[in-house]
Amino acid sequence: DAGITQSPRYKITETGRQVTLMCHQTWSHSYMFWYRQDLGHGLRLIYYSAAADITDKGEVPDGYVVSRSKTENFPLTLESATRSQTSVYFCATSGNEQFFGPGTRLTVL
Amino acid sequence: GEDVEQSLFLSVREGDSSVINCTYTDSSSTYLYWYKQEPGAGLQLLTYIFSNMDMKQDQRLTVLLNKKDKHLSLRIADTQTGDSAIYFCAERSNTGKLIFGQGTTLQVKP
Repeated sequence: DAGITQSPRYKITETGRQVTLMCHQTWSHSYMFWYRQDLGHGLRLIYYSAAADITDKGEVPDGYVVSRSKTENFPLTLESATRSQTSVYFCATSGNEQFFGPGTRLTVL
Repeated sequence: GEDVEQSLFLSVREGDSSVINCTYTDSSSTYLYWYKQEPGAGLQLLTYIFSNMDMKQDQRLTVLLNKKDKHLSLRIADTQTGDSAIYFCAERSNTGKLIFGQGTTLQVKP
């Protein structure tokens, strides 16, 4: 089915561990985005990508790494997770409309 | 810089109209969006409007855009309890990024 999927949907990890959140889309949209959503902050852009092999920082990139070797995938890696990275993470893709994935709820203990 | 502002809370009675307002700063915005988020769920795209349009209607939803004042509104006619959610306004700049407002919590009282 066409759409945007994220995995895992829920993740609990410990401080200092590396975590990778996956995002996959089937529309072949050029643009892909990662946001985090926290109470009191709304949605904040972490990184985005205009095309394969092109990525750029958003509002809150520190502590995160992204890659985009294929158009359809845009993984987000937390290299050394911290408690402040406990959040809900949304991936999105964009043609004229921007569609969001279902989100990954990440808890860092 | 780019910024999007929304009021945080709106309460209406079932059957009334709801109007959620949004202001933005980026005059180069190409598209403006309204998203709905229910508790524990992702963001659902409700509607969007291209920056050269003044109005867009889609069933119970009416979007008005005043480009001169950089003001966007979403009107929900005959508001139902199922419309209770957080509504996000977002502008898309010519770099492709979306900038979101903080979200307006709509409470619909029976």
